[in-house]
Amino acid sequence: SQQGEEDPQALSIQEGENATMNCSYKTSINNLQWYRQNSGRGLVHLILIRSNEREKHSGRLRVTLDTSKKSSSLLITASRAADTASYFCAWGANAGKSTFGDGTTLTVKP
Amino acid sequence: DTAVSQTPKYLVTQMGNDKSIKCEQNLGHDTMYWYKQDSKKFLKIMFSYNNKELIINETVPNRFSPKSPDKAHLNLHINSLELGDSAVYFCASSQRDNGYTFGSGTRLTVV
Repeated sequence: SQQGEEDPQALSIQEGENATMNCSYKTSINNLQWYRQNSGRGLVHLILIRSNEREKHSGRLRVTLDTSKKSSSLLITASRAADTASYFCAWGANAGKSTFGDGTTLTVKP
Repeated sequence: DTAVSQTPKYLVTQMGNDKSIKCEQNLGHDTMYWYKQDSKKFLKIMFSYNNKELIINETVPNRFSPKSPDKAHLNLHINSLELGDSAVYFCASSQRDNGYTFGSGTRLTVV
């Protein structure tokens, strides 16, 4: 993508393992968001981190943001089969507009 | 109570037809959006309205026309449908820069 990317494109792990997904972008941002999309469903907002924050937690999710490297990571600890989904980052530069990354497809095997 | 609801969920139609997708949000958000997700899952913004005013209009064919009768509704009308319009269309809403709430999507198939 010309705007940014996520890696890996696909990730397959065993239940109980940790999953890490990375997001890189190219513009200045106000915030960065992470979403989950289960197959055939809409996107669900997971967590938002603002440009002046470096780390944020929500349950088993941990998000980091490094604005100097224009990158973010999403860590899911102790993964479960129900975490199987596509995960998207989205970065917001102007109020009301966010650009989405290409997504990481996570498969958690029971 | 569905926060962002869009209808229909599935839409199968022939090339050349005109169709509409409706979206409503009950969250009191000021801003609503239409996003298009293609077969590779790439999400791209199409339009955004803030309090009924168009604020984002990305490079989208003129055949696509959004309409916002009030800040709780944002509809999408598509004229002269083409095969390449087949995709999943998502409506979303937000309040300031607090992240989006998405609808469940409308899968459009043009045959």
